[in-house]
Amino acid sequence: DTAVSQTPKYLVTQMGNDKSIKCEQNLGHDTMYWYKQDSKKFLKIMFSYNNKELIINETVPNRFSPKSPDKAHLNLHINSLELGDSAVYFCASSYGEGLAGGEQYFGPGTRLTVT
Amino acid sequence: KNQVEQSPQSLIILEGKNCTLQCNYTVSPFSNLRWYKQDTGRGPVSLTIMTFSENTKSNGRYTATLDADTKQSSLHITASQLSDSASYICVVTSKGTDKLIFGTGTRLQVFP
Repeated sequence: DTAVSQTPKYLVTQMGNDKSIKCEQNLGHDTMYWYKQDSKKFLKIMFSYNNKELIINETVPNRFSPKSPDKAHLNLHINSLELGDSAVYFCASSYGEGLAGGEQYFGPGTRLTVT
Repeated sequence: KNQVEQSPQSLIILEGKNCTLQCNYTVSPFSNLRWYKQDTGRGPVSLTIMTFSENTKSNGRYTATLDADTKQSSLHITASQLSDSASYICVVTSKGTDKLIFGTGTRLQVFP
């Protein structure tokens, strides 16, 4: 019944490691997003994919690489993790291309802690 | 510079009372304005989306207003409930670039 799901919910890892976060939506949406929410609760978009194609790529270090195997999945791979990467990462999806499109549905978030 | 500012940063009210949260923005050109509710440990949930021509929109006990001339929006919560305790985030989309500009939110706590 879950609309947008993310795994894992919590991720604790050491600096320098490589990790992936997975996202899946069963809403039939054609656009998916990754957001980062820092300790001050400020949400910032990182990437947006429409029909498996990258349409928004904010100023994000190239250690972050999104991968969309199909319309229903958007995974986030992070190389050489740094302390500053600690945050909550949210996946979202919507109908329509671009952020001016339809209502966005968010996943429950993945809390990443880098030690 | 495109910005979205929310006030107050935090708010404490008693159950049953009304409250109003403010959002001022400098985003231009404007596409739409959204209000989200984010419970602790959960993802944001959309409450309302308003375009330039809409002045007010309701979703149950939540009523959002938009004044595109003064670039201000408010979210009014009527007869607050304990479950209204959450962060409320105002988000403005810039027309053309489709860039989403997030406010830092208002943390609302409702006490019995």
